[in-house]
Amino acid sequence: SQQGEEDPQALSIQEGENATMNCSYKTSINNLQWYRQNSGRGLVHLILIRSNEREKHSGRLRVTLDTSKKSSSLLITASRAADTASYFCATRRNSGNTPLVFGKGTRLSVIA
Amino acid sequence: DVKVTQSSRYLVKRTGEKVFLECVQDMDHENMFWYRQDPGLGLRLIYFSYDVKMKEKGDIPEGYSVSREKKERFSLILESASTNQTSMYLCASNFRDRVYEQYFGPGTRLTVT
Repeated sequence: SQQGEEDPQALSIQEGENATMNCSYKTSINNLQWYRQNSGRGLVHLILIRSNEREKHSGRLRVTLDTSKKSSSLLITASRAADTASYFCATRRNSGNTPLVFGKGTRLSVIA
Repeated sequence: DVKVTQSSRYLVKRTGEKVFLECVQDMDHENMFWYRQDPGLGLRLIYFSYDVKMKEKGDIPEGYSVSREKKERFSLILESASTNQTSMYLCASNFRDRVYEQYFGPGTRLTVT
Protein backbone atom coordinates (compact mmCIF):
# COMPACT_ATOMS: atom_id res chain seq x y z
CA SER A 1 0.00 0.00 0.00
CA GLN A 2 1.41 3.39 -0.97
CA GLN A 3 0.94 6.00 1.72
CA GLY A 4 2.90 8.80 0.10
CA GLU A 5 2.70 9.93 -3.50
CA GLU A 6 5.33 12.25 -4.92
CA ASP A 7 4.70 14.83 -7.57
CA PRO A 8 6.01 15.35 -10.19
CA GLN A 9 7.22 11.93 -11.28
CA ALA A 10 10.15 13.52 -13.07
CA LEU A 11 11.73 16.96 -12.99
CA SER A 12 14.49 18.41 -15.12
CA ILE A 13 16.16 21.71 -14.25
CA GLN A 14 19.31 23.68 -14.94
CA GLU A 15 22.13 23.83 -12.44
CA GLY A 16 21.63 26.72 -10.02
CA GLU A 17 17.84 26.59 -10.18
CA ASN A 18 15.65 25.48 -7.29
CA ALA A 19 13.87 22.13 -7.37
CA THR A 20 10.57 21.54 -5.60
CA MET A 21 9.04 18.13 -5.08
CA ASN A 22 5.73 17.42 -3.39
CA CYS A 23 4.39 14.50 -1.43
CA SER A 24 0.80 13.76 -0.47
CA TYR A 25 -0.22 11.14 2.04
CA LYS A 26 -3.48 9.63 3.17
CA THR A 27 -3.61 9.01 6.91
CA SER A 28 -2.48 10.79 10.05
CA ILE A 29 1.24 10.71 10.66
CA ASN A 30 3.71 11.29 13.46
CA ASN A 31 6.44 12.35 11.09
CA LEU A 32 7.41 12.36 7.45
CA GLN A 33 10.83 11.63 6.02
CA TRP A 34 12.58 12.31 2.75
CA TYR A 35 15.12 9.97 1.23
CA ARG A 36 17.40 10.22 -1.75
CA GLN A 37 18.51 7.45 -4.09
CA ASN A 38 21.33 7.76 -6.56
CA SER A 39 20.90 5.66 -9.68
CA GLY A 40 21.15 1.94 -8.90
CA ARG A 41 22.00 2.48 -5.24
CA GLY A 42 20.30 2.24 -1.86
CA LEU A 43 18.33 5.05 -0.26
CA VAL A 44 19.88 7.62 2.03
CA HIS A 45 17.94 9.46 4.72
CA LEU A 46 17.87 13.23 4.15
CA ILE A 47 15.57 14.85 6.65
CA LEU A 48 12.68 14.17 9.00
CA ILE A 49 9.88 16.57 9.89
CA ARG A 50 7.54 15.90 12.79
CA SER A 51 3.81 16.43 12.64
CA ASN A 52 4.03 19.45 14.97
CA GLU A 53 6.60 21.17 12.74
CA ARG A 54 5.76 23.28 9.73
CA GLU A 55 9.18 23.81 8.25
CA LYS A 56 12.66 22.42 8.61
CA HIS A 57 16.00 23.26 7.04
CA SER A 58 19.16 21.28 6.47
CA GLY A 59 21.82 22.90 4.32
CA ARG A 60 20.27 23.51 0.90
CA LEU A 61 17.21 21.45 1.80
CA ARG A 62 13.98 22.94 3.03
CA VAL A 63 11.03 20.75 3.95
CA THR A 64 7.52 21.95 4.73
CA LEU A 65 4.63 20.01 6.16
CA ASP A 66 0.95 20.89 6.00
CA THR A 67 -0.97 18.34 8.04
CA SER A 68 -4.32 19.91 7.17
CA LYS A 69 -3.67 19.18 3.50
CA LYS A 70 -1.73 16.00 4.21
CA SER A 71 1.14 17.19 2.09
CA SER A 72 4.83 17.97 2.27
CA SER A 73 7.30 19.61 -0.04
CA LEU A 74 11.05 19.28 -0.45
CA LEU A 75 12.90 22.25 -1.85
CA ILE A 76 16.50 21.96 -3.00
CA THR A 77 18.01 25.40 -3.50
CA ALA A 78 20.83 26.26 -5.90
CA SER A 79 20.80 22.76 -7.36
CA ARG A 80 23.94 21.03 -8.54
CA ALA A 81 24.50 18.24 -11.05
CA ALA A 82 25.32 15.99 -8.07
CA ASP A 83 21.73 16.43 -6.83
CA THR A 84 20.57 14.30 -9.75
CA ALA A 85 18.79 11.40 -8.06
CA SER A 86 15.37 10.06 -7.13
CA TYR A 87 13.70 11.50 -4.06
CA PHE A 88 11.17 9.63 -1.94
CA CYS A 89 8.92 10.63 0.90
CA ALA A 90 8.16 8.07 3.57
CA THR A 91 5.65 7.86 6.37
CA ARG A 92 4.97 5.29 9.01
CA ARG A 93 1.88 3.13 8.70
CA ASN A 94 0.96 3.44 12.34
CA SER A 95 2.59 4.79 15.47
CA GLY A 96 5.31 2.82 17.13
CA ASN A 97 7.66 0.28 15.62
CA THR A 98 6.06 -0.20 12.22
CA PRO A 99 7.62 -0.17 8.74
CA LEU A 100 7.92 2.92 6.62
CA VAL A 101 5.79 3.28 3.53
CA PHE A 102 7.48 4.92 0.58
CA GLY A 103 6.03 6.85 -2.32
CA LYS A 104 7.01 6.14 -5.92
CA GLY A 105 9.53 8.93 -6.00
CA THR A 106 10.42 11.98 -8.05
CA ARG A 107 13.30 11.58 -10.48
CA LEU A 108 15.31 14.82 -10.52
CA SER A 109 17.76 15.61 -13.29
CA VAL A 110 20.01 18.63 -12.86
CA ILE A 111 21.66 19.65 -16.09
CA ALA A 112 25.04 21.34 -15.90
CA ASP B 1 29.21 4.72 10.38
CA VAL B 2 26.25 2.45 9.87
CA LYS B 3 26.90 -0.22 7.33
CA VAL B 4 24.33 -2.40 5.63
CA THR B 5 25.83 -4.78 3.12
CA GLN B 6 24.20 -7.06 0.59
CA SER B 7 25.91 -10.17 -0.70
CA SER B 8 25.76 -9.31 -4.39
CA ARG B 9 25.30 -6.16 -6.46
CA TYR B 10 24.21 -8.11 -9.53
CA LEU B 11 22.83 -11.61 -9.80
CA VAL B 12 21.56 -13.64 -12.75
CA LYS B 13 19.59 -16.80 -12.07
CA ARG B 14 17.49 -19.20 -14.09
CA THR B 15 13.79 -19.80 -13.70
CA GLY B 16 13.12 -22.40 -11.03
CA GLU B 17 16.40 -21.91 -9.17
CA LYS B 18 16.46 -21.30 -5.43
CA VAL B 19 17.95 -17.89 -4.74
CA PHE B 20 19.41 -16.53 -1.52
CA LEU B 21 19.90 -12.82 -0.99
CA GLU B 22 21.90 -11.98 2.10
CA CYS B 23 21.89 -8.78 4.11
CA VAL B 24 24.20 -7.98 7.00
CA GLN B 25 24.19 -4.90 9.24
CA ASP B 26 26.88 -4.01 11.74
CA MET B 27 24.98 -1.66 14.04
CA ASP B 28 23.12 -4.12 16.25
CA HIS B 29 19.78 -3.02 14.79
CA GLU B 30 16.74 -4.96 15.91
CA ASN B 31 14.64 -4.23 12.82
CA MET B 32 15.48 -5.43 9.34
CA PHE B 33 13.52 -5.12 6.11
CA TRP B 34 13.46 -6.42 2.55
CA TYR B 35 11.98 -4.30 -0.25
CA ARG B 36 11.80 -4.71 -3.97
CA GLN B 37 11.89 -1.74 -6.27
CA ASP B 38 10.41 -1.68 -9.75
CA PRO B 39 9.98 1.19 -12.20
CA GLY B 40 6.70 2.99 -11.67
CA LEU B 41 5.91 1.00 -8.52
CA GLY B 42 8.38 2.44 -6.04
CA LEU B 43 9.53 0.44 -3.03
CA ARG B 44 7.31 -2.38 -1.87
CA LEU B 45 7.84 -4.18 1.41
CA ILE B 46 8.29 -7.94 1.11
CA TYR B 47 9.11 -9.06 4.66
CA PHE B 48 10.46 -7.54 7.83
CA SER B 49 11.80 -8.74 11.13
CA TYR B 50 11.77 -7.15 14.57
CA ASP B 51 14.15 -9.59 16.18
CA VAL B 52 15.98 -12.84 15.76
CA LYS B 53 13.75 -15.64 14.51
CA MET B 54 10.86 -13.22 14.10
CA LYS B 55 9.36 -12.35 10.75
CA GLU B 56 6.36 -10.45 9.50
CA LYS B 57 4.83 -10.36 6.04
CA GLY B 58 4.90 -7.11 4.19
CA ASP B 59 2.75 -6.12 1.25
CA ILE B 60 4.03 -8.63 -1.32
CA PRO B 61 5.34 -11.76 0.44
CA GLU B 62 4.12 -14.26 -2.15
CA GLY B 63 6.94 -16.26 -3.68
CA TYR B 64 9.41 -15.23 -0.97
CA SER B 65 10.49 -16.41 2.44
CA VAL B 66 13.00 -15.04 4.94
CA SER B 67 15.35 -16.23 7.63
CA ARG B 68 16.80 -14.40 10.60
CA GLU B 69 18.93 -16.77 12.65
CA LYS B 70 21.31 -14.05 13.84
CA LYS B 71 20.59 -10.47 14.72
CA GLU B 72 22.91 -9.00 12.13
CA ARG B 73 21.78 -11.14 9.19
CA PHE B 74 18.49 -11.20 7.32
CA SER B 75 18.16 -13.47 4.31
CA LEU B 76 15.58 -13.31 1.55
CA ILE B 77 14.85 -16.59 -0.20
CA LEU B 78 13.20 -17.13 -3.53
CA GLU B 79 12.18 -20.77 -3.37
CA SER B 80 11.67 -21.10 -7.12
CA ALA B 81 12.69 -17.99 -9.00
CA SER B 82 10.39 -16.70 -11.70
CA THR B 83 10.91 -14.01 -14.33
CA ASN B 84 8.47 -11.67 -12.56
CA GLN B 85 10.88 -11.60 -9.65
CA THR B 86 13.44 -9.77 -11.76
CA SER B 87 13.91 -6.59 -9.75
CA MET B 88 16.13 -4.48 -7.53
CA TYR B 89 16.11 -5.81 -3.98
CA LEU B 90 16.91 -3.47 -1.13
CA CYS B 91 17.63 -4.37 2.46
CA ALA B 92 17.26 -1.87 5.32
CA SER B 93 17.60 -1.81 9.08
CA ASN B 94 17.06 0.43 12.09
CA PHE B 95 16.86 0.47 15.88
CA ARG B 96 13.55 -0.49 17.45
CA ASP B 97 13.53 2.58 19.71
CA ARG B 98 14.74 4.95 16.99
CA VAL B 99 12.38 4.00 14.24
CA TYR B 100 12.67 7.25 12.36
CA GLU B 101 15.62 6.56 10.19
CA GLN B 102 16.19 3.48 8.09
CA TYR B 103 19.60 2.59 6.74
CA PHE B 104 19.70 0.93 3.35
CA GLY B 105 22.11 -1.43 1.68
CA PRO B 106 23.34 -0.76 -1.88
CA GLY B 107 20.82 -3.11 -3.44
CA THR B 108 20.98 -6.33 -5.44
CA ARG B 109 19.82 -6.25 -9.02
CA LEU B 110 18.43 -9.72 -9.69
CA THR B 111 17.68 -10.93 -13.19
CA VAL B 112 15.79 -14.19 -13.63
CA THR B 113 16.00 -15.63 -17.14
